[in-house]
Amino acid sequence: TQLLEQSPQFLSIQEGENLTVYCNSSSVFSSLQWYRQEPGEGPVLLVTVVTGGEVKKLKRLTFQFGDARKDSSLHITAAQPGDTGLYLCAGAKGNKLVFGAGTILRVKS
Amino acid sequence: GAVVSQHPSRVICKSGTSVKIECRSLDFQATTMFWYRQFPKQSLMLMATSNEGSKATYEQGVEKDKFLINHASLTLSTLTVTSAHPEDSSFYICSARERFYGYTFGSGTRLTVV
Repeated sequence: TQLLEQSPQFLSIQEGENLTVYCNSSSVFSSLQWYRQEPGEGPVLLVTVVTGGEVKKLKRLTFQFGDARKDSSLHITAAQPGDTGLYLCAGAKGNKLVFGAGTILRVKS
Repeated sequence: GAVVSQHPSRVICKSGTSVKIECRSLDFQATTMFWYRQFPKQSLMLMATSNEGSKATYEQGVEKDKFLINHASLTLSTLTVTSAHPEDSSFYICSARERFYGYTFGSGTRLTVV
């Protein structure tokens, strides 16, 4: 059983559409990170959320941390082909980082 | 920001041989580093936590004799895949935690065992 349930697994959308990726758990995390990974490279940190209810924006990306610090979402507005990649949520459990299954996003032009 | 350098980026080895992958923290000291394995189009699976000056802590199901980890200094951890077989072929990624920048990942190593 995955500690962090991430959905959807795959998403193929047209340029300009909006999308939301969800990350849910029954556990409480001290912090939650969102990463983007390109093929053949390591994950790159997009954002870290720490406080329950926190909302952070990074250009067209909006990240939300649930009030109970058990879930998070990533919303992309007006997706572009450059947003294509693997999106990963990860929760800090003590010293370790636990990853969700990932969401493969493909934005078609 | 914190930078983690991982080498080599790609390696092809013959079945039965051993391969060493290096992970260095370039501008900070890392008492703890992490090693992950990733299969195509899948997420990262934590293999082990590398502790400077002590034994690594392996996750359940990871063979410690197959995947040897050495963390001899505050800036270097190595993962050696011993007696590699084709099923060990994968993308291996290291990570280190820096106090201000959080977790930083290396660029990964694509291992192909033929």
